[in-house]
Amino acid sequence: DTEVTQTPKHLVMGMTNKKSLKCEQHMGHRAMYWYKQKAKKPPELMFVYSYEKLSINESVPSRFSPECPNSSLLNLHLHALQPEDSALYLCASSSRTSGGNYYEQYFGPGTRLTVT
Amino acid sequence: GDSVTQMEGPVTLSEEAFLTINCTYTATGYPSLFWYVQYPGEGLQLLLKATKADDKGSNKGFEATYRKETTSFHLEKGSVQVSDSAVYFCALSDGYDMRFGAGTRLTVKP
Repeated sequence: DTEVTQTPKHLVMGMTNKKSLKCEQHMGHRAMYWYKQKAKKPPELMFVYSYEKLSINESVPSRFSPECPNSSLLNLHLHALQPEDSALYLCASSSRTSGGNYYEQYFGPGTRLTVT
Repeated sequence: GDSVTQMEGPVTLSEEAFLTINCTYTATGYPSLFWYVQYPGEGLQLLLKATKADDKGSNKGFEATYRKETTSFHLEKGSVQVSDSAVYFCALSDGYDMRFGAGTRLTVKP
């Protein structure tokens, strides 16, 4: 099973709302990722969690707050977003090779976020 | 830093035509290389991968060979179908950091 699930599939929120995106995987992967994808562009890395600890934050504004409650779950808390934050938010996970590198990433279907 | 350059799209082909999407990379180490496919309204799906020089990745009739001497990982398929219409991303990774190319939109017409 190489499935990563994400909820909700679509989300519309106002600039004063607080919402959360959820991601789950049951492949035993110990690295999980959040990406942002604008239309007709490649995904842009936002955050990386390794063994439930934040490893990489690509200078993402604080209105995006990631959380990794356990090895299977990844959340992205949203607060006071701007219309330009409207995008497809993708979650991914990967396992670690015996050599210590992280292997291919498996992506979820994404959450289409619209900020009004 | 490491980077990936893909041929500009869009690419439009007739069904059963031969497909090549060019991808070249720049890397200081020995990255793994990937092709991902994204169908409309969906996330990215891993299409194929290669982890070292001269490896050939293949899946669903698609192939790509990791060429260290030309720093390339071109995607090929001998006979495309309408269902192959999607955006294709070349990517490299040597750890957490996965770098994507700009993506190439493929449209296959009946």
